[in-house]
Amino acid sequence: NAGVTQTPKFRILKIGQSMTLQCTQDMNHNYMYWYRQDPGMGLKLIYYSVGAGITDKGEVPNGYNVSRSTTEDFPLRLELAAPSQTSVYFCASSGQLQETQYFGPGTRLLVL
Amino acid sequence: AQTVTQSQPEMSVQEAETVTLSCTYDTSENNYYLFWYKQPPSRQMILVIRQEAYKQQNATENRFSVNFQKAAKSFSLKISDSQLGDTAMYFCAFMKLAGGFKTIFGAGTRLFVKA
Repeated sequence: NAGVTQTPKFRILKIGQSMTLQCTQDMNHNYMYWYRQDPGMGLKLIYYSVGAGITDKGEVPNGYNVSRSTTEDFPLRLELAAPSQTSVYFCASSGQLQETQYFGPGTRLLVL
Repeated sequence: AQTVTQSQPEMSVQEAETVTLSCTYDTSENNYYLFWYKQPPSRQMILVIRQEAYKQQNATENRFSVNFQKAAKSFSLKISDSQLGDTAMYFCAFMKLAGGFKTIFGAGTRLFVKA
């Protein structure tokens, strides 16, 4: 099992560009989450999904979109990148025992 | 809305000694989980320990234990026999059991273990 994988590891974007952060899990987990971590801060929930075809907003969803067409994949889309979206993004998943979340290694995003 | 507060931005401890990290939370929920996560310089989030709110017994995982005071809404982490590899950011987190199992994280405590 690879667990939760995220690509890319690091990306620099120009203001106004768009990109998709990829997240894949091979544990057949129903629940998936996207968090952002700003420097020196804890994680804040952006979006989450309780299963294929079902997504919902977290604490800080503005400027982001998600989709969940399969159990394995949960991509995060930034449409018009802004400097405020400079952060480290973590994807996580959890299964039958929903309370245990497994995290990916993170994607560091710099918007200039 | 739930909040999680970690009042110690930074702490240090001598190798082999014991250190306690504090966490308080605010919620009107009765059923929830509490967690401590470790984030070393690699940035990987690692689950250290979790506590179910309905359990009175404090959770223990090897050198890590918690002091869970439900009425006081307090959830501290004790690290015994500290090791250099314990140097990391530690995050306290709260998860309610309804509404998608969303997790709220505290701002973190940076722990340095000195040789």
